[in-house]
Parts: sequence; C-alpha cells; structure tokens
Amino acid sequence: TQLLEQSPQFLSIQEGENLTVYCNSSSVFSSLQWYRQEPGEGPVLLVTVVTGGEVKKLKRLTFQFGDARKDSSLHITAAQPGDTGLYLCAGVPNTGNQFYFGTGTSLTVIP
Amino acid sequence: NAGVTQTPKFQVLKTGQSMTLQCAQDMNHNSMYWYRQDPGMGLRLIYYSASEGTTDKGEVPNGYNVSRLNKREFSLRLESAAPSQTSVYFCASGIQPKLNIQYFGAGTRLSVL
Repeated sequence: TQLLEQSPQFLSIQEGENLTVYCNSSSVFSSLQWYRQEPGEGPVLLVTVVTGGEVKKLKRLTFQFGDARKDSSLHITAAQPGDTGLYLCAGVPNTGNQFYFGTGTSLTVIP
Repeated sequence: NAGVTQTPKFQVLKTGQSMTLQCAQDMNHNSMYWYRQDPGMGLRLIYYSASEGTTDKGEVPNGYNVSRLNKREFSLRLESAAPSQTSVYFCASGIQPKLNIQYFGAGTRLSVL
C-alpha cells in the first residue's frame, strides 16, 4: 500500500479539455508538492502547498491542498500537448521524516 | 549549470554482479537522495543523506548501500545485483530535509539479467 495514492493512473484527453488529478492519503502532511516528469528525464517541481485549504495557480494549473492536509488536487484548464507527462505528488508526513512520492498520473494530451 | 549529474545513463548487469551508481550536485545542497522508479509505483526512496557524513534508510533499502563521499557526491552501490533491481534510478539533492525542494538528475536505466 502506497502512502500517497493518485487517481487516475492514466488519463488521455483531447487538447482543450479540462482535467483533475487527485492525490490522497490517510496521513497528514505538513506540505505537499507536485512534480511533472517527462520521458527520459527526472521530475521537476511545479509547486509546494503548505496551508490546509490553500489554492495556488500556475498559469492554467490550479493546485489545492485539502483542509485536513491529507489530500491535494491538480486541475488543468484547456490542456495542451505540452502538458503531457507524468504528474507526481510528494511530501513528508507529520508522523515521519521520510519523503514519499505518489503513485503517479500519466497524462497524454492529444492534439 | 549542471545541477545533478548521474552516471552512467544506462547499464546492463548479470545477476550477482556489482556496480556503483554515481551522483554529483553543484548546487551546494545539504541533502541528497536515491530513488528507484518502477511502473505504477511512482518513486520510492532507497536511501538519503540529510547532510555530509550522515545516511539513513528510506522505504526500500534492502540490497543497496550508499556513501556520502563529500557534500557534492552521493553514490549508490549494488553489491550483488538481482533481477528485482531492474529499474530506473534517480538521484536528487535538496535544500533541506523537511520542506523539501528536490532537484533530480536524468536517471540511470539499469537492467539486471
């Protein structure tokens, strides 16, 4: 069982559509991060959310941290082919000091 | 700027062989990490080093050893490779252990036959 579960695991959509990716845990996190990974490369940090209920926007990407700090979501508006990649949430639970990554969501945006 | 550099990029081993994966960062970060990435499982932490001279086990340390050679370098050693260690290995460095911003290398693709 993974500490951070992401859904869906795979997502294939048409250019211009909206989508939401979820990251859920039974543990409380002091912060959560979202990374994007392109084929053949390492993950690259997109955003860190720290406060319960926090919403951060990065152009067409909107990140939300759940009020209880156990979950997070990533919403992409009007997806573009350049958004294609593997999206990973990650963080350190309050009960430990190790960094955990989510199971990942592989997004394909079809032109 | 090089960032985090991993060598080699690809490696094929036979079962029982040993090898060391090298990682170096030029960002003066205190923390360094080794992960493995397998399909459907995201990245799993193997070992990490919060600062020079210290190392700690992560989620999946069995079959691996690490050395924090100095502040820049953190190596991962497989003493006797097994097919279950076929994976993509990533090294990362970070600014601090807890609220972590991690920077990743491009990965090492390892196949154990």
